[in-house]
Amino acid sequence: AQSVAQPEDQVNVAEGNPLTVKCTYSVSGNPYLFWYVQYPNRGLQFLLKYITGDNLVKGSYGFEAEFNKSQTSFHLKKPSALVSDSALYFCAVRLPNTGFQKLVFGTGTRLLVSP
Amino acid sequence: SQTIHQWPATLVQPVGSPLSLECTVEGTSNPNLYWYRQAAGRGLQLLFYSVGIGQISSEVPQNLSASRPQDRQFILSSKKLLLSDSGFYLCAWSKEGGDSQPQHFGDGTRLSIL
Repeated sequence: AQSVAQPEDQVNVAEGNPLTVKCTYSVSGNPYLFWYVQYPNRGLQFLLKYITGDNLVKGSYGFEAEFNKSQTSFHLKKPSALVSDSALYFCAVRLPNTGFQKLVFGTGTRLLVSP
Repeated sequence: SQTIHQWPATLVQPVGSPLSLECTVEGTSNPNLYWYRQAAGRGLQLLFYSVGIGQISSEVPQNLSASRPQDRQFILSSKKLLLSDSGFYLCAWSKEGGDSQPQHFGDGTRLSIL
């Protein structure tokens, strides 16, 4: 069964420093991978996705993610964190060609950026 | 551009009362529609999905039901709410047949059962 793991409940980083939010997946076949961000009392906002091609994908708000097939990882990164990046981040995986677009979400990682 | 609306934003209901949450999408046709529940601000559980009018699939057995009376309208209902139905309910849509397309979420309804 497809699954996705976010091993860190919370990540703390100082403003201006680089940030990484980790995600690993377990699927058979080639996965489609997504990152979402959720601010308090709001829905999830799409940040970026990996479908195929270049392993480094760029998304909204200066975020990027690196797909690593050998390590089955899709870590979210940003070169310089902002206080406004503080939010809950979700990684999700979709197995292609399995009918409707069912996403399996990780449990989320809370990012706290301190001034 | 496409937009998704959910209402109400918050709802407080007594145990045993009925429920109706509504979600509508604008700016697209024949979207795939989804209802999720998010417990304690963390993991998302897919409750229902729909690929067309009148076509509803349930992911988990529960006290809730869903309906899609129009192409861009998705309704979550219950005849009698339980305490365990409390949570944050999110509606989402994605493009028809778009395996690689992201899902787009509404701002949710926070449901509290007393």
